[in-house]
Amino acid sequence: EPEVTQTPSHQVTQMGQEVILRCVPISNHLYFYWYRQILGQKVEFLVSFYNNEISEKSEIFDDQFSVERPDGSNFTLKIRSTKLEDSAMYFCASSTLGGRNGELFFGEGSRLTVL
Amino acid sequence: AQSVTQPDIHITVSEGASLELRCNYSYGATPYLFWYVQSPGQGLQLLLKYFSGDTLVQGIKGFEAEFKRSQSSFNLRKPSVHWSDAAEYFCAVGGRTGGGADGLTFGKGTHLIIQP
Repeated sequence: EPEVTQTPSHQVTQMGQEVILRCVPISNHLYFYWYRQILGQKVEFLVSFYNNEISEKSEIFDDQFSVERPDGSNFTLKIRSTKLEDSAMYFCASSTLGGRNGELFFGEGSRLTVL
Repeated sequence: AQSVTQPDIHITVSEGASLELRCNYSYGATPYLFWYVQSPGQGLQLLLKYFSGDTLVQGIKGFEAEFKRSQSSFNLRKPSVHWSDAAEYFCAVGGRTGGGADGLTFGKGTHLIIQP
């Protein structure tokens, strides 16, 4: 069964460092998403991506964040200069029809710990 | 702005007993509603979804949920739980998210514990 895969599963970094989280969405999906879940809190929408550009982003997704689909298969989330409060589980998701009409398929998450 | 409330942070149920997890939403139009489950170390898996039509929807693993517009609720039920149902359950609503059109808004989740 096709699945969304994420790497790394866990990354520890120093505050101020750049981090890139990688995702391989399901191959025939057109919509891509990043969500995050701070420990003990709810899953929060960060950004959606369609047709090689950001379609929507939340207030959390500030200038420190960027997304890219560099090669037609990977979908990356970059945090330019990490802060302590960026420590969270980051989930990638993909969909054929978008969140309003279709199912989002989630990866297992990448846990980011900022020290 | 849309929001989702899951009032129960933890629920403990005996194996074989029935289960109901509560979800209330706030949304200005007809919502698209989802229940996801997250087992330890796993990603989020869709249990069921409501878009329109029959307000009682069936999902995987024997789960069902009922959309009640008058109560702004979408409660998840299962007649007899199994130990493997122990997990975190998230209710979500689809539609505009802070101006977006594709994102889902999740509740904080309910942690389900199954007693032998």
